[in-house]
Amino acid sequence: QVQLVESGGEEVQPGGSLRLSCVASGFVFNNYGMHWVRQAPGKGLEWVAYIWYDGTNKYYVDSVKGRFTISRDNSKNMVYLQLKSLRTEDTAVYYCAKSPLSSQTIDYWGQGTLVTVSS
Amino acid sequence: QSALTQPLSASGSPRQSVTISCTGTSTDVGDYNYVSWYQQHPGKAPKLLIYEVSKRPSGVPDRFSGSKSGNTASLTVSGLQAEDEADYYCSSYAGSNTFVFGTGTKVTVL
Repeated sequence: QVQLVESGGEEVQPGGSLRLSCVASGFVFNNYGMHWVRQAPGKGLEWVAYIWYDGTNKYYVDSVKGRFTISRDNSKNMVYLQLKSLRTEDTAVYYCAKSPLSSQTIDYWGQGTLVTVSS
Repeated sequence: QSALTQPLSASGSPRQSVTISCTGTSTDVGDYNYVSWYQQHPGKAPKLLIYEVSKRPSGVPDRFSGSKSGNTASLTVSGLQAEDEADYYCSSYAGSNTFVFGTGTKVTVL
């Protein structure tokens, strides 16, 4: 079965950096695009970034452009989210999520990792 | 990239139906048949209920159904059950490999 397990979330000061990781299993990882979605405490879901199956194209929500970078290592079944210049409003649970073939949706989600930006 | 608009809350008694709306614009909901709906219980990850406006993944009960008209999509939960009490989010493809989520609706089973 599909499993997505995130790690790397922790408390960091404003202006700091962090790298989130997600290991995937249960499917042929290098065939599928991958997303990061976040959810601030008590708030709704916000799509953050998407990377193509082969890593050649990457897309971001405007609020993180130039600060966050999505990447993947298909040899390790891993997807990453590098977070820089963090702001208090970036505090959230960050979910790694999988896209299906031939459809614009998210079909599987990890359990999330909490990033807290606080001084 | 503004969030899609959903009602803050909805409720119904067991065995009744509840319908949640999701209003976007002509550049997201109105432009693509890629509206999805997710269910999220407290402290849990979201779960896909509906994709491509009205399709159900295997394992999702047919009590959940979706539709769309213009810039507004809807999710109907028929025959409400206690376990349907959760937060529900819509999302839409917004072009250029970007996505937007709804503001979320808390469904209460009375």
